[in-house]
Amino acid sequence: AQKVTQAQTEISVVEKEDVTLDCVYETRDTTYYLFWYKQPPSGELVFLIRRNSFDEQNEISGRYSWNFQKSTSSFNFTITASQVVDSAVYFCALSEVQAGTALIFGKGTTLSVSS
Amino acid sequence: DTGVSQDPRHKITKRGQNVTFRCDPISEHNRLYWYRQTLGQGPEFLTYFQNEAQLEKSRLLSDRFSAERPKGSFSTLEIQRTEQGDSAMYLCASSFGQGSGTGELFFGEGSRLTVL
Repeated sequence: AQKVTQAQTEISVVEKEDVTLDCVYETRDTTYYLFWYKQPPSGELVFLIRRNSFDEQNEISGRYSWNFQKSTSSFNFTITASQVVDSAVYFCALSEVQAGTALIFGKGTTLSVSS
Repeated sequence: DTGVSQDPRHKITKRGQNVTFRCDPISEHNRLYWYRQTLGQGPEFLTYFQNEAQLEKSRLLSDRFSAERPKGSFSTLEIQRTEQGDSAMYLCASSFGQGSGTGELFFGEGSRLTVL
């Protein structure tokens, strides 16, 4: 069965600190997609990244970076030099090709960045 | 604004009443999804349309829930005989996709339902 675990419920950091949000997934499918979404206080989920199971290259986008390791079934997200505007709930999600188009979301990690 | 829009944003109803939510996706998107999110949880998949065809339904979607997407444009989600457990944020998302796999979903701001 597919499952996404975000063990960190809440993280608090001070501005300019680096922070890593963990995501561990379970799947029996060989072809799947992993996602990260941001949900700011306004409530609208914002897409951050999609990664397919055959692409283990790490990705960097500005202050954001993602580390995908199939060996440990993890897809971790790092924010470098965090800012107050990064405060939000971050969700990791999994989509198995064989299971259809549904995204299975983790419970989310609430990140609070203080100045 | 050309994003996904949902209406109403908030709905308070009494147990046993019917409610309907509307979602207008991004115009060129052929795929439309409904999710439900309760406090402190991630969104849970409810159903998926490709154009006007409802292709996937979650087991979460009881007989009291029905969704439509006539003409492959806007969609409605109706809940009949609401129960207190239906209180949640109902999220709509759309995307453009062909073939297998899920692409980037664009979410609306959600419709918050409170059942008294």
